[in-house]
Amino acid sequence: SFVLTQAPSVSVAPGKTARITCGGDNIETYSVHWYQQKPGQAPVLVISYDSDRPSGTPDRFSGSNSGNTATLTISRVEAGDEADYYCQVWDGINDHVVFGVGTKLTVL
Amino acid sequence: EAQLVQSGAEVKKPGESLKISCKGSGDNFNRYWIGWVRQLPGKGLEWMGIIYPDNSDTKYSPSFQGQVTLSADRSISTTYLQWTSLKASDTAMYYCARQPAYDSNLDYWGQGTLVTVSS
Repeated sequence: SFVLTQAPSVSVAPGKTARITCGGDNIETYSVHWYQQKPGQAPVLVISYDSDRPSGTPDRFSGSNSGNTATLTISRVEAGDEADYYCQVWDGINDHVVFGVGTKLTVL
Repeated sequence: EAQLVQSGAEVKKPGESLKISCKGSGDNFNRYWIGWVRQLPGKGLEWMGIIYPDNSDTKYSPSFQGQVTLSADRSISTTYLQWTSLKASDTAMYYCARQPAYDSNLDYWGQGTLVTVSS
């Protein structure tokens, strides 16, 4: 099964840029999706197909995917961005969704 | 806009059976895949499987194959997640979510159903 690797935590000061990475073998050949989950809430899709922003996602959120790493970038970080972030791909070989373990973003 | 509404929290004993539901609204609900995701307390997201309500085609994660059953009633735009014999380790939050295609993202999520299994 395809494995996605995420750092457990990332910390950033307000107004700075946060980069949350998702590693996988040749991940650039997969479509990567990103979800934000705040405490006590259901996940919300914030980036789809590597870099598309669904309606409602602020343009401070962007995504990229190259080589073995996909990246979710949050510019001008706000206190309200504090959440867990999960990457996700479809494993076409085994026919199932794979999630990363999640990264907790802390706004200092 | 699509909306998914899940059934309420459940408290069960080990060995009991359970069926939780996810009712959809919006255009062509039955023409989208519905995925189910488990989140153990304090842990990450685990995809369990998906079902296509229009014909009840299903795909299961290997980790959950044989442990749960997905079903659907297209006449009421509702999908179900079912256990025949619960274990304490099934205690978790369960989410349903729409997948526009079986190999795509999960774009709309239900509010979650908390299942607690305790003697």
